[in-house]
Amino acid sequence: GNSVTQMEGPVTLSEEAFLTINCTYTATGYPSLFWYVQYPGEGLQLLLKATKADDKGSNKGFEATYRKETTSFHLEKGSVQVSDSAVYFCALKSSGDKLTFGTGTRLAVRP
Amino acid sequence: GAVVSQHPSWVICKSGTSVKIECRSLDFQATTMFWYRQFPKQSLMLMATSNEGSKATYEQGVEKDKFLINHASLTLSTLTVTSAHPEDSSFYICSASLTSTLYGYTFGSGTRLTVV
Repeated sequence: GNSVTQMEGPVTLSEEAFLTINCTYTATGYPSLFWYVQYPGEGLQLLLKATKADDKGSNKGFEATYRKETTSFHLEKGSVQVSDSAVYFCALKSSGDKLTFGTGTRLAVRP
Repeated sequence: GAVVSQHPSWVICKSGTSVKIECRSLDFQATTMFWYRQFPKQSLMLMATSNEGSKATYEQGVEKDKFLINHASLTLSTLTVTSAHPEDSSFYICSASLTSTLYGYTFGSGTRLTVV
């Protein structure tokens, strides 16, 4: 079956530091890959997505590249801000409507 | 943009009682709604998929008699946890889909259920 593995948190960084949150997946077929973000007290929001190999999703300074050869979709940001503090979920969708989520990684950014 | 309102955001109930959680799409009609459960430090686990006007499709291992899902209209789905027990304590999140497309998922803010 499908599964998503992402690094455990919490990840604590200073403002303007470089961020990487690792995500690897196992899936049948050719899944679409997503990063969702959940800010405190809010629902999950789609951060970025990629639908085929070598696609790069980007939004709000975050990037992730769909790497089929390594089955990975690592999230990166060059310079984090305090406002980026949230929980980040990697997810995939292969067939049907179901999303399969990773466990989530909490990011805390210190001023 | 599309907004999903989930209510209540938290609830504490006594063991043996039932709790209803509502999920409303505020500015769009949701043909499909999903209910997830999240344990601490674990993934969001899909519990069931509901389409307006039809019975919900439950994932393997989810007790349909315990977790009653009703999707009576295009803007409202409810999850009722019947005869709740402490092991049902969890974080429940709903998601609504416009047309079951890749980009049409909107999530509620979740409900923290604590059964004492």
